[in-house]
Amino acid sequence: GNSVTQMEGPVTLSEEAFLTINCTYTATGYPSLFWYVQYPGEGLQLLLKATKADDKGSNKGFEATYRKETTSFHLEKGSVQVSDSAVYFCALGLKKTSYDKVIFGPGTSLSVIP
Amino acid sequence: NAGVTQTPKFRVLKTGQSMTLLCAQDMNHEYMYWYRQDPGMGLRLIHYSVGEGTTAKGEVPDGYNVSRLKKQNFLLGLESAAPSQTSVYFCASNPSYRDSSYNEQFFGPGTRLTVL
Repeated sequence: GNSVTQMEGPVTLSEEAFLTINCTYTATGYPSLFWYVQYPGEGLQLLLKATKADDKGSNKGFEATYRKETTSFHLEKGSVQVSDSAVYFCALGLKKTSYDKVIFGPGTSLSVIP
Repeated sequence: NAGVTQTPKFRVLKTGQSMTLLCAQDMNHEYMYWYRQDPGMGLRLIHYSVGEGTTAKGEVPDGYNVSRLKKQNFLLGLESAAPSQTSVYFCASNPSYRDSSYNEQFFGPGTRLTVL
């Protein structure tokens, strides 16, 4: 079946540290891949996306590359800030005939300390 | 544009009580969804709708009902609340397949529900 696996959290980093959050997926067909971010007390918002193999999504200093050969979509940022503290969800999207099915990973909580 | 809004933000119910959560979107999206978020489980789809007057079951539909009488509104009902329904509920929407080749969904801020 279709699924998303993320590294377990919580992750605690010092400001300006390098961030990697691992994400791997299992899917039939050719899904789109997403990272959503949820700041405290808010809903999810799209951080970045990639729709085909070797695409790189980027936004706000975050990057992730769609790796079909390793079925991965790891999130990276070179220098995190306190304002990046949030929960990050990896997700895959499948275009069904009747609706858009999105499967979310369990989320990884990130805390950045000054 | 307000995007996706949800009412109420918080609610506490007693077991057996009923309530309705309201989701509204002003982006003219065809598709709307209700998810629940539980610790360590990500988001799970409860019900969805692909247009006004249509609804369908998602991954965890038991104990919930929905209605989409107007395109911009999607209601989630709990007829007889149970403690297992304590969760954070998110509504989301996106354009139909004809309008977008991506699956990006736009989320509301969530409703935190506690059932005692």
